[in-house]
Amino acid sequence: DAGVTQSPTHLIKTRGQQVTLRCSPKSGHDTVSWYQQALGQGPQFIFQYYEEEERQRGNFPDRFSGHQFPNYSSELNVNALLLGDSALYLCASSLLSTNEKLFFGSGTQLSVL
Amino acid sequence: QKEVEQNSGPLSVPEGAIASLNCTYSDRGSQSFFWYRQYSGKSPELIMSIYSNGDKEDGRFTAQLNKASQYVSLLIRDSQPSDSATYLCAVNKDDKIIFGKGTRLHILP
Repeated sequence: DAGVTQSPTHLIKTRGQQVTLRCSPKSGHDTVSWYQQALGQGPQFIFQYYEEEERQRGNFPDRFSGHQFPNYSSELNVNALLLGDSALYLCASSLLSTNEKLFFGSGTQLSVL
Repeated sequence: QKEVEQNSGPLSVPEGAIASLNCTYSDRGSQSFFWYRQYSGKSPELIMSIYSNGDKEDGRFTAQLNKASQYVSLLIRDSQPSDSATYLCAVNKDDKIIFGKGTRLHILP
């Protein structure tokens, strides 16, 4: 049973560029949440997708957008990258009925130069 | 006031002793509370969840919740070097799982 998979594992971009990160949830899960984790900080909630709709959103600007596909996989898009966007981006999947039990992928380390 | 607050540590505990990790939260309406463990360079994994006041035990781990004081704690008995990690407290606030900064725990052999 595959867990949560994220791609790519590492990414280097320059300021102003755009990036797309991908996530496949754990088998049987229908909900995907995205988190940003800066070095030495806890994960910060970006948004959550369920049934291809953004269900919840944290305090992130509109430069951060997402999508969920019919197979429950998800993408996180970040436009107009800033140096401060450098962080580990974590995808977590869950069942909406047990929304609170999050299973995390290994993350994508994004470096913005 | 931050939504979930933890002492960032590091907390150093001798092997075999009890490690005590603490967390406070701001939203009195929160009903669900979690502890995640994150090893360096890895992603968080859920180790305990607690929903009612009191203690919940699972092996060497005990989670404690006091809603009146808005306080959650995690006790790790018989600490092992493999327990060295960052421990993240998380709270369900308005259907969003919000994390604290985490406490770094170092078990001294």
